[in-house]
Amino acid sequence: DSGVTQTPKHLITATGQRVTLRCSPRSGDLSVYWYQQSLDQGLQFLIQYYNGEERAKGNILERFSAQQFPDLHSELNLSSLELGDSALYFCASSARGSQTDTQYFGPGTRLTVL
Amino acid sequence: DQQVKQNSPSLSVQEGRISILNCDYTNSMFDYFLWYKKYPAEGPTFLISISSIKDKNEDGRFTVFLNKSAKHLSLHIVPSQPGDSAVYFCAASFNDYKLSFGAGTTVTVRA
Repeated sequence: DSGVTQTPKHLITATGQRVTLRCSPRSGDLSVYWYQQSLDQGLQFLIQYYNGEERAKGNILERFSAQQFPDLHSELNLSSLELGDSALYFCASSARGSQTDTQYFGPGTRLTVL
Repeated sequence: DQQVKQNSPSLSVQEGRISILNCDYTNSMFDYFLWYKKYPAEGPTFLISISSIKDKNEDGRFTVFLNKSAKHLSLHIVPSQPGDSAVYFCAASFNDYKLSFGAGTTVTVRA
């Protein structure tokens, strides 16, 4: 158990809909990261937050947005969903968000768009 | 654009033997490299890392080798154990916290 929790574990929805994925970091960690893993591919970095502020952006679509709240939990919002958005979405956290900090991953949310 | 590549999708090895996983990267700016291990229905777990100022890092049964001139790193697991059966991801970053991951290699350790 990494100490990072993600809800829900599974999500099935239809094209055009909007969903929210939730992540609670490990106790004491200030930085949260979101990754997308599509079928047979590596994890793609989406976005990073540190202590409530956006720190880095990767290949995140404009239809996707995220935020980190004062209690440090984070939400990833996916809107106007398309079939290609079906993937595993992982959240990770680290203590300070620096390069050599270990990132601890949650179990992921599996999103299926029908 | 895949900057980190793991060209072997799978590897089968006998228990007690050495497992060698390979990873190539294209971005010469990468200066920090990691290996993660992933079991089904779980998130990736950090295994071992290496900075670009080193060419080897060892932690118990796991050793990572870095060849900067060839833009290549490898993970050696000796001896391989049944619990090592998992998907292994290579990852890299440069000067920041954004990790670029390879597609993974599935290791199966046979009894």
